[in-house]
Amino acid sequence: DAMVIQNPRYQVTQFGKPVTLSCSQTLNHNVMYWYQQKSSQAPKLLFHYYDKDFNNEADTPDNFQSRRPNTSFCFLDIRSPGLGDAAMYLCATSSNLDQPQHFGDGTRLSIL
Amino acid sequence: QQQVKQSPQSLIVQKGGISIINCAYENTAFDYFPWYQQFPGKGPALLIAIRPDVSEKKEGRFTISFNKSAKQFSLHIMDSQPGDSATYFCAASRRTSGSRLTFGEGTQLTVNP
Repeated sequence: DAMVIQNPRYQVTQFGKPVTLSCSQTLNHNVMYWYQQKSSQAPKLLFHYYDKDFNNEADTPDNFQSRRPNTSFCFLDIRSPGLGDAAMYLCATSSNLDQPQHFGDGTRLSIL
Repeated sequence: QQQVKQSPQSLIVQKGGISIINCAYENTAFDYFPWYQQFPGKGPALLIAIRPDVSEKKEGRFTISFNKSAKQFSLHIMDSQPGDSATYFCAASRRTSGSRLTFGEGTQLTVNP
């Protein structure tokens, strides 16, 4: 009965090879977020969608892109992964911008 | 101005004891203060949250104490259990400008049996 589902749980890609991580939600929430969390660090917001409106954080590298084709799904695309992009990527949702965020269990990305 | 400072970085408590984690913020515009619990390999889970119009909120064994004048808030876990062993993150946000959470650095809590 997971409400924010991330696939895959583990992803291995090669240096420079594009990779896509996916997130789906059954909560019908308006807002979806992508965070990057490195080992022993707090989650760092990359960007969020409020409905179809995309909001990028100022310090998110251009290498990271996102798509939200519908309410339920959101994708994180890393165009040319570098070794420094190895991390846990967390998706979260909230019903509105001023409501609590609910996180998925993340995708752990490894770069070879 | 956007930072949230969290301490201690790690905490070891005996079963049945009280775990206390502290956070301090700088931005007086913050008006929402959640605590998240994260187990290894899992995403953060919202534990409890407080707004600045109250000084304390209690849910079961978890209590948030909030001191607006000192710009500090803390999480108290009463009767700590081994199952509480996890990483705890405090956070703050300004709801009127969106829900961008500013996280503390995290506290790794270990409760010994």
